[in-house]
Amino acid sequence: NAGVMQNPRHLVRRRGQEARLRCSPMKGHSHVYWYRQLPEEGLKFMVYLQKENIIDESGMPKERFSAEFPKEGPSILRIQQVVRGDSAAYFCASSPPPGLAGPLGEQWYFGPGTRLTVT
Amino acid sequence: DQQVKQNSPSLSVQEGRISILNCDYTNSMFDYFLWYKKYPAEGPTFLISISSIKDKNEDGRFTVFLNKSAKHLSLHIVPSQPGDSAVYFCAATDSWGKLQFGAGTQVVVTP
Repeated sequence: NAGVMQNPRHLVRRRGQEARLRCSPMKGHSHVYWYRQLPEEGLKFMVYLQKENIIDESGMPKERFSAEFPKEGPSILRIQQVVRGDSAAYFCASSPPPGLAGPLGEQWYFGPGTRLTVT
Repeated sequence: DQQVKQNSPSLSVQEGRISILNCDYTNSMFDYFLWYKKYPAEGPTFLISISSIKDKNEDGRFTVFLNKSAKHLSLHIVPSQPGDSAVYFCAATDSWGKLQFGAGTQVVVTP
């Protein structure tokens, strides 16, 4: 059973370009979460999605950032017109539907992250 | 608004000794607390958790203590091993959804 997969692992973009980060959840998981880790900081929640539905986007910047989790395919975090301050590690986590998870803590599985560098 | 705080950015401990990591939180609505371990270039991996109805949970070398009145939790690792060298994140949640993370503590276990 493959874990959470993220690609690309490293992404370099020039200021003003678009960045697309992909996350494939674990098999059987229908919920996806995106977190951002800035240098020297902890992970900050961005958005929580179910297939074709955004559950909680309270951590998403109001502009330039969007996320989707279509019926088929991976979840996509899209950053338009990137700026230097967007340089960070972006982690995706997945979980099964509520009620189907095991013991507490075992429902969130994190991917290896995508390191975005804006030059 | 930082609701979960880890005030020690780093901790150095000798192999075989106890490592104690601390975490404070401000939101009284949190009902589950978790510790994650993270190696460079990898995602966080779940270590141990505790529900707010308990004050202690133990799993092998790892024990988490929760003091609700002080809004404080700690992770004890004993005995510490070189493979424990990593960044440890404290996290909390009040729902099925988002986790709130602390800034992390870098643990270095020396021989």
